[in-house]
Amino acid sequence: QSVLTQPPSASGTPGQRVTISCSGRSSNIGSNYVYWYQHLPGTAPKLLIYMNTQRPPGVPDRFSGSKSGTSASLAISGLRSEDEADYYCAAWDDSLSGWVFGGGTKLTVL
Amino acid sequence: EVQLLESGGGLVQPGGSLRLSCAASGFTFNKYAFNWGRQAPGKGLEWVSGISTSGGSTYYVDSVKGRFTVSRDNSKNTVYLQMNSLRAEDTAVYYCATGPHIRAIDYWGQGTLVTVSS
Repeated sequence: QSVLTQPPSASGTPGQRVTISCSGRSSNIGSNYVYWYQHLPGTAPKLLIYMNTQRPPGVPDRFSGSKSGTSASLAISGLRSEDEADYYCAAWDDSLSGWVFGGGTKLTVL
Repeated sequence: EVQLLESGGGLVQPGGSLRLSCAASGFTFNKYAFNWGRQAPGKGLEWVSGISTSGGSTYYVDSVKGRFTVSRDNSKNTVYLQMNSLRAEDTAVYYCATGPHIRAIDYWGQGTLVTVSS
């Protein structure tokens, strides 16, 4: 069981907006930055959001992150077929002195 | 361009050992911390271990403490994960990852497969 809680699946049609939630506790999300990654099997995970809300160069502004208290969210607007992938939230945990990840959300574009 | 190239994976019997390597390029190696993560078949990503920029601080998930050792060689731009007393549940794709400090993971490698089986 993962320390951070994500829904196992999400879906939407092209052009729609979907949101993926990530719930944690005070020792991780509540006191550290949240990171979001996109992962396709057999490839390197890709950073989508760092420091809760920041997008690295090259990541479309269709992707956005937010955080409130011990929860965070990733929003994807203008959904495209190439967005179909697994999405993970992650944060450093002060109690564990290590990173914790969500279980991953498989996004399907219908 | 940041590149992380993992190597050293393979098939090993339970109780055996492997050493994974992560060769880094495209950035100032000694200014970055490194982490190792893994993904078991059909499972999600899991953090395994981390090492600070200086190498003076190391971190491990409870399930590998006492069995795995992370280290870095700043002269070779390479990070290592020595894995001993391997168990079937250690079977996974192992990824090297890096960021400007231990609490940041900005880049990941493509991974190397470790299979623990008799």
